[in-house]
Amino acid sequence: AQSVTQLDSHVSVSEGTPVLLRCNYSSSYSPSLFWYVQHPNKGLQLLLKYTSAATLVKGINGFEAEFKKSETSFHLTKPSAHMSDAAEYFCVVTRSGGGADGLTFGKGTHLIIQP
Amino acid sequence: DAGVIQSPRHEVTEMGQEVTLRCKPISGHDYLFWYRQTMMRGLELLIYFNNNVPIDDSGMPEDRFSAKMPNASFSTLKIQPSEPRDSAVYFCASSMDRGQSGANVLTFGAGSRLTVL
Repeated sequence: AQSVTQLDSHVSVSEGTPVLLRCNYSSSYSPSLFWYVQHPNKGLQLLLKYTSAATLVKGINGFEAEFKKSETSFHLTKPSAHMSDAAEYFCVVTRSGGGADGLTFGKGTHLIIQP
Repeated sequence: DAGVIQSPRHEVTEMGQEVTLRCKPISGHDYLFWYRQTMMRGLELLIYFNNNVPIDDSGMPEDRFSAKMPNASFSTLKIQPSEPRDSAVYFCASSMDRGQSGANVLTFGAGSRLTVL
């Protein structure tokens, strides 16, 4: 069994300040973890993924996430927010080595960037 | 590759009408998924196919919904008759087969926004 909890439904930050989107997971197996981003009126796009190699994962557009097994967390961060980062972000968990048929999506965090 | 292609991008129809949504997955991807996204329920998996065969349709809301995949490059999601509560964005996504690097990564289409009046 597996689940994922995105701790904030909305996060608002000012342009140029750090971004932190929180995600906790639960899994009976060794997990693979992902962050997807959805810009308005677009499909979901893979931002980054953790698959048991390095615990600090770098993604596109300056985002990164750190896998912390002891805390069962996979928080997404970015040092400096840009207006173009305004979007919906989804944390996703699956069994390591499994296929896309086993993905569990979080409910999403809406990131708002204030000018 | 052009990615996952969905059509139509927008559909407005009246209650009771038949709606057909179409999807062309990425060539070489063996899995195809249909998701529905609403404000109330978020992202829901409706059905997925492996090698054109439906594997799990437990997410299909009711018999008014049906999906087919007649070949590796085409799938349809049909709603007949449509109802206002079916209004949502419907996404198609595809992925590679198990055992391949990146098999658990989904590539999504841009979605079909359905409005049923």
